[in-house]
Amino acid sequence: GAGVSQSPRYKVAKRGQDVALRCDPISGHVSLFWYQQALGQGPEFLTYFQNEAQLDKSGLPSDRFFAERPEGSVSTLKIQRTQQEDSAVYLCASSPRGTSGGASITGELFFGEGSRLTVL
Amino acid sequence: GENVEQHPSTLSVQEGDSAVIKCTYSDSASNYFPWYKQELGKGPQLIIDIRSNVGEKKDQRIAVTLNKTAKHFSLHITETQPEDSAVYFCAAMHGSSNTGKLIFGQGTTLQVKP
Repeated sequence: GAGVSQSPRYKVAKRGQDVALRCDPISGHVSLFWYQQALGQGPEFLTYFQNEAQLDKSGLPSDRFFAERPEGSVSTLKIQRTQQEDSAVYLCASSPRGTSGGASITGELFFGEGSRLTVL
Repeated sequence: GENVEQHPSTLSVQEGDSAVIKCTYSDSASNYFPWYKQELGKGPQLIIDIRSNVGEKKDQRIAVTLNKTAKHFSLHITETQPEDSAVYFCAAMHGSSNTGKLIFGQGTTLQVKP
């Protein structure tokens, strides 16, 4: 497809279950971001990958959250022992640009439609 | 940490009127300010952005202004249409970030009445 694809679109988990959310970025995009969006709020940064390297994971709320992008394309966000406060939409975004010499990325981030997680 | 405040939280205008959304940011080192439009059930989509070396940018009915001294930037939509109805988010790039981390505002729900 032409855009960022996320799956599943909807996930209901019982408290304590583990979940895995998948992101297929636009082909060839170097940068990949995960954001968390609570109901009625703006997206909050979780983590950033440049190719397969996780360069920033400062936004991950706890060690129950883990993200990987082993081959520099598809990424998975895993949440262990889910809790009710994890309920949110998890957005993935990609960009054709990467950091260069420490310069920050500016320009368009292409967002997927998100995975809505509900923890009961 | 860095904070971005956005106002108003809701805005209702008549079709054809203008809409203005305002944001302030706390990190004086922020240098990139995008605006995103999010429709129900969709991901955010970039509509316009501005860099800190520019004071104003316009793209058809949409314009953004930046006041670095006041740490304030605004989105202006003229001749609003019903299809402009959506949630709009401002964002600022974290000044010390070398990874493109964006700090988003809380969002403004814009309703354009036909």
